[in-house]
Amino acid sequence: ELKVEQNPLFLSMQEGKNYTIYCNYSTTSDRLYWYRQDPGKSLESLFVLLSNGAVKQEGRLMASLDTKARLSTLHITAAVHDLSATYFCAVDFLNNAGNMLTFGGGTRLMVKP
Amino acid sequence: DAMVIQNPRYQVTQFGKPVTLSCSQTLNHNVMYWYQQKSSQAPKLLFHYYDKDFNNEADTPDNFQSRRPNTSFCFLDIRSPGLGDAAMYLCATSLLGLNTEAFFGQGTRLTVV
Repeated sequence: ELKVEQNPLFLSMQEGKNYTIYCNYSTTSDRLYWYRQDPGKSLESLFVLLSNGAVKQEGRLMASLDTKARLSTLHITAAVHDLSATYFCAVDFLNNAGNMLTFGGGTRLMVKP
Repeated sequence: DAMVIQNPRYQVTQFGKPVTLSCSQTLNHNVMYWYQQKSSQAPKLLFHYYDKDFNNEADTPDNFQSRRPNTSFCFLDIRSPGLGDAAMYLCATSLLGLNTEAFFGQGTRLTVV
């Protein structure tokens, strides 16, 4: 059974600070996704990581994937209040019937002024 | 332009009264998924269609059914909603393959009274 664990589950940080969210998963997979979710809204795709060593950056967020360690990180640089949201990683286990997503538990990020 | 459209955005139903949620897509993707997301939890896959082939997750209750009459539409039927079925229901689509990602709709928030 594929398990995806995120930590921390809750993160309160000051504006301007840096922090990293971790996503560990239990079964081999070469595809990992990061999503943002605002309260009451759907999932917004942030990053798609499709190979070992993949690194992607968008604004203050940078995601990386180490498939050998089964670990992905989402690094936040100089956080701003607008980044406050819940962040989910999801691992994709492709089988013959589709791309199954198993989500981590989510990290609720609060950025305080 | 919206690519995965869910209707309605908000649905209130009575305890035990059947309800149907709908999802349509303009992407011509061959896989469609339904996820359930309860408050403060991660999305959980209920089932998915690969073309017309239906795939049920092992722990999806029998109370939940789905129909996919054509490529563009997929429905989630809850035969007898209970209070525990109140959640956000997310529809997603993807094109089966190695370098694809899932596209999520805006979700339907279901309230059971």
